[in-house]
Amino acid sequence: AQKITQTQPGMFVQEKEAVTLDCTYDTSDPSYGLFWYKQPSSGEMIFLIYQGSYDQQNATEGRYSLNFQKARKSANLVISASQLGDSAMYFCAMARSNDYKLSFGAGTTVTVRA
Amino acid sequence: DTAVSQTPKYLVTQMGNDKSIKCEQNLGHDTMYWYKQDSKKFLKIMFSYNNKELIINETVPNRFSPKSPDKAHLNLHINSLELGDSAVYFCASSLLAGEETQYFGPGTRLLVL
Repeated sequence: AQKITQTQPGMFVQEKEAVTLDCTYDTSDPSYGLFWYKQPSSGEMIFLIYQGSYDQQNATEGRYSLNFQKARKSANLVISASQLGDSAMYFCAMARSNDYKLSFGAGTTVTVRA
Repeated sequence: DTAVSQTPKYLVTQMGNDKSIKCEQNLGHDTMYWYKQDSKKFLKIMFSYNNKELIINETVPNRFSPKSPDKAHLNLHINSLELGDSAVYFCASSLLAGEETQYFGPGTRLLVL
């Protein structure tokens, strides 16, 4: 079974600073996708960013970037210029090419301080 | 123009009752899912459907019965509700399976008393 590890249960970050959320994964499959989702206190799950295992470049979406280190099996999320609205729980997830599911990490709670 | 919608958003019921949660997606996706988020916020797949066919039943008690009348709908019926069923249930959809991005509904918060 795929395992996704997020070792930081909670983090504090100052407004306008960058924050890195760690994610490591374990799979022997060569083809897979890595995802980050945001869950604010209102409860919805918001897709943020995707990285394919064969992608040569790290994915970026606005203030979100994914630091993909394939050999280390890590897919860290970087949020730049943090805003108060970034306070939420963030989930790392993975799906293999033949999967019909996402496997999720335990999540990291980010609190942005003014 | 909500992409993935679920009803109801909140569900409070007594132990032993039967309840249903409805999910609809207007994205034209082929694959739909049900996930359960427990009190510790852990998310786990329950069911996956592709083109109305059940693909995954991830060791879910048979009190839970999904039904997909068409590609745009995936409903979840729960019989004989138990206290441990209290959780947030998310419906999601993706164009195809595998590495396709899954888009989630707003969640249904179920509380069994």
